Amino acid sequence: GAVVSQHPSRVICKSGTSVKIECRSLDFQATTMFWYRQFPKQSLMLMATSNEGSKATYEQGVEKDKFLINHASLTLSTLTVTSAHPEDSSFYICSARWTVNQPQHFGDGTRLSIL
Amino acid sequence: DQQVKQNSPSLSVQEGRISILNCDYTNSMFDYFLWYKKYPAEGPTFLISISSIKDKNEDGRFTVFLNKSAKHLSLHIVPSQPGDSAVYFCAASGPLFYGGATNKLIFGTGTLLAVQP
Repeated sequence: GAVVSQHPSRVICKSGTSVKIECRSLDFQATTMFWYRQFPKQSLMLMATSNEGSKATYEQGVEKDKFLINHASLTLSTLTVTSAHPEDSSFYICSARWTVNQPQHFGDGTRLSIL
Repeated sequence: DQQVKQNSPSLSVQEGRISILNCDYTNSMFDYFLWYKKYPAEGPTFLISISSIKDKNEDGRFTVFLNKSAKHLSLHIVPSQPGDSAVYFCAASGPLFYGGATNKLIFGTGTLLAVQP
């Protein structure tokens, strides 16, 4: 089946650090990639939608200058949490999709802990 | 405003029996529904989907039923196995729901299924 690789799986860093998370589709070309955030015991909350070669579309309430998304190729999207603070600590998950109405396939997520 | 609801946070079933996971939605524009399974510290894994033109889709032990008039879908797992123990999320999307072709998914809050040996 389709495979999406997300790295790193866990990050622990000091407040003020910028953290980059990579999301790669390994066996298909992802025209669209999505970035989610999950708080404990809550649902996956969509942060932004990223189409290859264009600017990401952010959900209401998500700061685009805080969460920088780059989708430079059909197999790679990156999320950079800039100047991270403890309230940014969360589980971040990416997904990738080949075409519209195809299932999204998810990475294994990144546990971000800001001290 | 929770547009996709999974009202049962947890479900416990005996091995070999049927597991029925339920999901309700409020937006009649949704036309594509999916079920994902998630183990701790892993990303969700796609299980099965259904388009609104169908009322049933089956894949091995997994069957999804869609009742559009009731805005309700369910996932049946039979027979249930201990390895099925996980959190199950339902998700929904619509073609022009947000004015574009992004088809973003709206997820429910998940149901923790425990299959007892």
